[in-house]
Amino acid sequence: QITLKESGPTLVRPTQTLSLTCTFSGFSLTTGVGVAWIRQSPRKGLEWLALIFWDGDKRYTPSLESRLTLAKDTSKSQVILTMTNMDPVDTGTYYCAHLEGDPTLDYWGPGTLVIVSS
Amino acid sequence: EIVLTQSPDFQSVALKETVTITCRASQSVASSLNWYQQKPHQSPRLLIKDASQSISGVPSRFSGSGSATDFTLTINTLEAEDAATYYCHQTSSLPYTFGQGTKLEIK
Repeated sequence: QITLKESGPTLVRPTQTLSLTCTFSGFSLTTGVGVAWIRQSPRKGLEWLALIFWDGDKRYTPSLESRLTLAKDTSKSQVILTMTNMDPVDTGTYYCAHLEGDPTLDYWGPGTLVIVSS
Repeated sequence: EIVLTQSPDFQSVALKETVTITCRASQSVASSLNWYQQKPHQSPRLLIKDASQSISGVPSRFSGSGSATDFTLTINTLEAEDAATYYCHQTSSLPYTFGQGTKLEIK
């Protein structure tokens, strides 16, 4: 059974760096497998952010690429998303999701709420 | 960036009726179009993959069709549990964008 769970701070101050961890089970980052990050806010709806493949290859949404970094820790079954220079408009629920063979997001975590406020 | 526009934004439909939600892409996405269902306080659930491919565990009353720029999600014989917001999502080219959502209410 594939499960994913996001974790990280709920409250972040403007200009700070956000670090979120996606801890997964039921699969490993083997050939063809990837983990993506998506966020959701009333302002922008669902927004695809980034994707890391089993081989370390990464893709970022162009509008946020300069602020995003993905890393993976295969031994811990984790993927870490870092976003710099946080702003109140980055407030929302952040999800990680599993994909295999193609970019379809077939399993999602429950999401974690991030509030950016001073 | 490919823009996905769903219609309608909101729909109120009676039980056992048939619902049709459309998704139009600003440029061709071939068949790389997925549909998701999201209920309040839950994460999105994959309903249809690659425009028309059914997903294991999803009721057969959900079906998808279309290609290139025009796609449709159809829900036959609507049930109370289908009240949710539905999203289309293209995986043809980065960034992989979502539609704005269609909120479905059961009368």
